Amino acid sequence: DIQMTQSPSSLSASVGDRVTITCRASQSISRYLNWYQQKPGKAPKLLIYAASSLQSGVPSRFSGSRSGTDFTLTISSLQPEDFATYYCQQSYSTPPYTFGQGTKLEIK
Amino acid sequence: EVQLVESGGGLVQPGGSLRLSCAASGFTFSSYWMSWVRQAPGEGLEWVANIKQDGSEKYYVDSVKGRFTISRDNAKNSLYLQMNSLRVEDTAVYYCARNDYDSSGYYDYLNYWGQGTLVTVSS
Repeated sequence: DIQMTQSPSSLSASVGDRVTITCRASQSISRYLNWYQQKPGKAPKLLIYAASSLQSGVPSRFSGSRSGTDFTLTISSLQPEDFATYYCQQSYSTPPYTFGQGTKLEIK
Repeated sequence: EVQLVESGGGLVQPGGSLRLSCAASGFTFSSYWMSWVRQAPGEGLEWVANIKQDGSEKYYVDSVKGRFTISRDNAKNSLYLQMNSLRVEDTAVYYCARNDYDSSGYYDYLNYWGQGTLVTVSS
């Protein structure tokens, strides 16, 4: 199975900061990488699919990129509503479609 | 409006069984792959299983193979997860989700999620 290693596991930042979260796949997964945001007690919400495509309705301050087996979620200017936990997920080839361990983004 | 509503969660003893349901509305259920994802208390997300539109293909995470069965009834717009031989480590909120594809048809993602149903396995 493909393993997804997400870092950091937690992050403290301030409103207006630029934040980067990384996810590394254990093998090549092309662009089969999605990013989700989850707030406490809520279901996850899709932010980015196919590594860099912004889901409709998601603010443009969110962006995704890929370099080989390394994937990055960037929030260009943190807003108060962005404090949440973020997960990457691979959807390459045959399931299981594993998630990363998550990154909890907290207010500094 | 797309809606996914899970039900069937509850408290069950180790070794017991439970059947989760997910009622879908607001879209043509029979046209989509569907998935189950779970989240143990205070932990991250774990992909559990998915099923093709006509039920002809099913996939599972190793930890539930042979114990859980995903199924669907397209006439009833419903997705199911039969869970047998439950273990304490199966305790989690279980979400059903719809698989969507990008315009190329290659890249899939979980675009719509239910609110989740809590399964607690404890003696």
